[in-house]
Amino acid sequence: AQKITQTQPGMFVQEKEAVTLDCTYDTSDQSYGLFWYKQPSSGEMIFLIYQGSYDEQNATEGRYSLNFQKARKSANLVISASQLGDSAMYFCAMREGNNFNKFYFGSGTKLNVKP
Amino acid sequence: KAGVTQTPRYLIKTRGQQVTLSCSPISGHRSVSWYQQTPGQGLQFLFEYFSETQRNKGNFPGRFSGRQFSNSRSEMNVSTLELGDSALYLCASSRRQGMNTEAFFGQGTRLTVV
Repeated sequence: AQKITQTQPGMFVQEKEAVTLDCTYDTSDQSYGLFWYKQPSSGEMIFLIYQGSYDEQNATEGRYSLNFQKARKSANLVISASQLGDSAMYFCAMREGNNFNKFYFGSGTKLNVKP
Repeated sequence: KAGVTQTPRYLIKTRGQQVTLSCSPISGHRSVSWYQQTPGQGLQFLFEYFSETQRNKGNFPGRFSGRQFSNSRSEMNVSTLELGDSALYLCASSRRQGMNTEAFFGQGTRLTVV
């Protein structure tokens, strides 16, 4: 089974609007960490936000917030007030507590912000 | 503060050759991991090094190997290149190990095997 599933290969959003990128995960570990990364066309993966499995509050970092629903095993990224520079690939990733040396990545969502 | 540096940025090799990719982590970071990114398979974990020791290895053939030096710089080597090895190879560094540790990625080395 896939550890991380991103079901939206591509999405469009109007500049200044909010957008939600979906991510579901599968793990039997009680301890795990969920991450979102942005990959522009340059190739570098840029860290956006982190949510720990024991964190009770949803993580927020500026315009990024993570909608964490533990029972549903989902960790959706919400980008508020989209900007043209947000156009990129977005990857959801997980580290498991029992195997923390590696990330499991989803297949990514290509976000296009329209002016 | 300098980021993760990968060299070279682009490589073209012929089938059967071998290649070495280099990664210099952020100063003070002791963990270095490598990922292969292809359109078909996405991002796949290759291996992770911490304090010069390989701590974890992904499901790749023995043609893929790596090492880490005392200054935390890392190299990965692919021998007997195949067309399917064409990919973006990403290196990531972390200050420490742990499930809540973010990783900082380099811009990658784009390898093309012809």
